[in-house]
Amino acid sequence: AQSVTQLDSQVPVFEEAPVELRCNYSSSVSVYLFWYVQYPNQGLQLLLKYLSGSTLVKGINGFEAEFNKSQTSFHLRKPSVHISDTAEYFCAVRNTNAGKSTFGDGTTLTVKP
Amino acid sequence: ETGVTQSPTHLIKTRGQQVTLRCSSQSGHNTVSWYQQALGQGPQFIFQYYREEENGRGNFPPRFSGLQFPNYSSELNVNALELDDSALYLCASSSGTGGDYGYTFGSGTRLTVV
Repeated sequence: AQSVTQLDSQVPVFEEAPVELRCNYSSSVSVYLFWYVQYPNQGLQLLLKYLSGSTLVKGINGFEAEFNKSQTSFHLRKPSVHISDTAEYFCAVRNTNAGKSTFGDGTTLTVKP
Repeated sequence: ETGVTQSPTHLIKTRGQQVTLRCSSQSGHNTVSWYQQALGQGPQFIFQYYREEENGRGNFPPRFSGLQFPNYSSELNVNALELDDSALYLCASSSGTGGDYGYTFGSGTRLTVV
């Protein structure tokens, strides 16, 4: 069984400030890790993924995430946010040999001017 | 390349009715997964189809069923609708069933059961 916990349901931040969205997971098997973004009334868009190799992963729109196996975490960061980054962000894990993904309940990022 | 297209975008059904949701997968993708996203929650895995066969199922009752067609498009059918079935239903296609294949999501169908 797998589970994903997004530690903050809402994160308000001012424009151009740095942000970190936290994600912890648990799994009895090896997993791949993903971050998705969802804008209002839209589907999910992949931001970045960790499959193997370097634990620091860079994605689209200036986001990056760091995989920490010992802490079973995969936190998402951006050094300077824009108003357009306001959205819902989802962390997800997937078995290395199966397509099912388990998602967290999301973090609402609100960027204020 | 075309993305994932879902239809309809919105619909309202009465409790006890049946509904069919449709999904056209991205060109070149042979695998379709369906997710239910209730308000304020993350998506929950319903099932996955690969080459017209169900290839994995989440914790959903049998009244949730699906089909995949030779062109890899897919349908989600829900019988005997309940109020709790109200949600955004997301279709995601991928080019394989392995865990490293990235999903392309559609914009979803918003189902309201009254």
